[in-house]
Amino acid sequence: DVQLLESGGGLVQPGGSLRLSCAASGFTFSTYGMSWVRQAPGKGLEWVSGISGSGDGTYYAVSVRGRFIISRDNSKNTHYLQMNSLRAEDTAIYYCAKFGIGSDCSRSRCYGNFDYWGQGTLVTVSS
Amino acid sequence: EIVLTQSPGTLSLSPGERATLSCRASQSVSSRYLAWYQQKPGQAPRLLIYGASSRATGIPDRFSGSGSGTDFTLSISRLEPEDFAVYYCQHYGNSPETFGQGTKVEIK
Repeated sequence: DVQLLESGGGLVQPGGSLRLSCAASGFTFSTYGMSWVRQAPGKGLEWVSGISGSGDGTYYAVSVRGRFIISRDNSKNTHYLQMNSLRAEDTAIYYCAKFGIGSDCSRSRCYGNFDYWGQGTLVTVSS
Repeated sequence: EIVLTQSPGTLSLSPGERATLSCRASQSVSSRYLAWYQQKPGQAPRLLIYGASSRATGIPDRFSGSGSGTDFTLSISRLEPEDFAVYYCQHYGNSPETFGQGTKVEIK
């Protein structure tokens, strides 16, 4: 079975940093693009970032570009989201998600639906 | 960026009734790149439909998707107690992926 397990969330002050991790199992990790999607308290879903299977393509929402960095270590079946210069509006549950059928995340483009999701990790940015 | 508008915001129905949820795009999109998700309180979203009408693995056939151009629909033929949740549509034909604001299906 596919499993995605996030970790690394917590409380951080504005301007601070956090690194989220997503450990994957149950599929050939290196052949799939992965993504982060967040959900602010009581709000809808917002795509944050995506990375190709090999890691040579990385993509960001405008709201986080220049502050967040997505990466992956295929030897560990894990991908990461380094979040810097955090703001109150970054407060959300962060889900890692696997790209599904009909998706295309490569060096030149990245888009897709999400067929498996982790349980989410809460990031709270507050003083 | 394509904006998705879902309606209604809340749908109040009884178990056994049919639910019809709408997702309208701000410009014409390919039906290849339209998905629907279900989210229950405290849980991650679950993929129901991709490519506008293809059911994801394990999704019961009471869920169906249709539409083209700017107008898409998720139908639930007979609501089961476990179907009361929030539903989101998503467009993914280009970056960034965008989601609708959600429709809550609640018990009447």
